[in-house]
Amino acid sequence: RKEVEQDPGPFNVPEGATVAFNCTYSNSASQSFFWYRQDCRKEPKLLMSVYSSGNEDGRFTAQLNRASQYISLLIRDSKLSDSATYLCVVLYGQNFVFGPGTRLSVLP
Amino acid sequence: NAGVTQTPKFQVLKTGQSMTLQCAQDMNHEYMSWYRQDPGMGLRLIHYSVGAGITDQGEVPNGYNVSRSTTEDFPLRLLSAAPSQTSVYFCASSRPGGTGELFFGEGSRLTVL
Repeated sequence: RKEVEQDPGPFNVPEGATVAFNCTYSNSASQSFFWYRQDCRKEPKLLMSVYSSGNEDGRFTAQLNRASQYISLLIRDSKLSDSATYLCVVLYGQNFVFGPGTRLSVLP
Repeated sequence: NAGVTQTPKFQVLKTGQSMTLQCAQDMNHEYMSWYRQDPGMGLRLIHYSVGAGITDQGEVPNGYNVSRSTTEDFPLRLLSAAPSQTSVYFCASSRPGGTGELFFGEGSRLTVL
C-alpha cells in the first residue's frame, strides 16, 4: 500500500465548477500536511498547508481528518489557470512523502 | 533571486556512463533532498541531507550517491547509468523544522539509452 494515495483522475471540469480532491495517508505518526501544485513540465510549488481546523485561501479550502487519515482540497469557481496536477504531501519525520497527484483540466 | 539551481536541465546518457547532477541553494537551508518523478509514481525520495556532512537514503537510493560538503551544494551522482534511471530529477531544499515549503529546482530530464 502506498503511503499517500490520491484520486487517480484526471478531472475535466468546466470553468466555474467546484471540484474536490481526496487524499489518504497510511502513517498515523505523520505530522504535517500540504497541497502542492505542479504545472506541466514544471517543478512543484506549495499551494497551501492543511490544518486540523480546516483552512481557506481564497477559492481553495483544505481539510484534514486525522482520525480517518484523510485530507481534502476543494476548489470553488474553477479557472482555466487552475489546470495543473495537485499533489498531496505528508511530512513524516524529516521527509516529505508525495502522493502520485491528481490532474485537473479546467475547460472553457 | 536564485533559490535552488539545478544543472543540467537535459542530459542523454548511454548505459554504463556516469554523471553528476548539480544542485545549489542560496537560502542557507539545512535540509536538501533529491527526488525522481516518473509517470503515475509521483515524486520518490532518493537521498536527503539535514546538514553539511550528513546524508541519508530515501525510498529509492540504489544506483545513486550523494555528498554534502557545504550547506549550499548537494550533488547527485549516477554511478553507472541504466535505462531504469530515465526520469525527471528534482532537487529541493527546506528551512529547518519542516515548515512545509519545499523549494524545488526546475528539474533535470535524464534519458539513458
